[in-house]
Amino acid sequence: GAGVSQSPRYKVAKRGQDVALRCDPISGHVSLFWYQQALGQGPEFLTYFQNEAQLDKSGLPSDRFFAERPEGSVSTLKIQRTQQEDSAVYLCASSLAERTVSYEQYFGPGTRLTVT
Amino acid sequence: AQSVTQPDIHITVSEGASLELRCNYSYGATPYLFWYVQSPGQGLQLLLKYFSGDTLVQGIKGFEAEFKRSQSSFNLRKPSVHWSDAAEYFCAVGAVTNAGKSTFGDGTTLTVKP
Repeated sequence: GAGVSQSPRYKVAKRGQDVALRCDPISGHVSLFWYQQALGQGPEFLTYFQNEAQLDKSGLPSDRFFAERPEGSVSTLKIQRTQQEDSAVYLCASSLAERTVSYEQYFGPGTRLTVT
Repeated sequence: AQSVTQPDIHITVSEGASLELRCNYSYGATPYLFWYVQSPGQGLQLLLKYFSGDTLVQGIKGFEAEFKRSQSSFNLRKPSVHWSDAAEYFCAVGAVTNAGKSTFGDGTTLTVKP
């Protein structure tokens, strides 16, 4: 079946604009994760959903970042009033298992956000 | 807090040569450990994982990794590298009780010489 998909693949935003990044996880996957990957670094955890519940948002860098997964499938990461330091690749991953079970995450190709 | 260190930012090997990528982790309990590969423009692909049991783990594409608790290491190896293995490799440690979120190293870029 289809893997994790993300859209758009590339986004250029002027500083101060709001952006919305979409993630379509693998059908039936319970868990969904968002990561931020700055240039030359590994992914850093942003937030975690189990179905529609956002159980961990400890990695969100500021209150300008907001994520939702209202029906337990598609998720949207929204960044308000973008800043240059928000420029990064945003990765989404999904997993069949709940958080306390041995799991494997499947990653999407990411959205590269450039803030000018 | 959990952390991962990949000491080598960039490694170059000749095609057909053996490969070892280093990974050291810090974690307070038994870790879940992963190696991922990322090709340009692609998402991360899981190569292998360690949860428990046999400390030598086999993965896809001919890769293997060995968990050494005494050294807090989880090094990735391949006996003979192919040109298609050129990519960026990430080691990650996961927490069982913490939403399954993973902490990643900063990656090692592998270049393969013909």
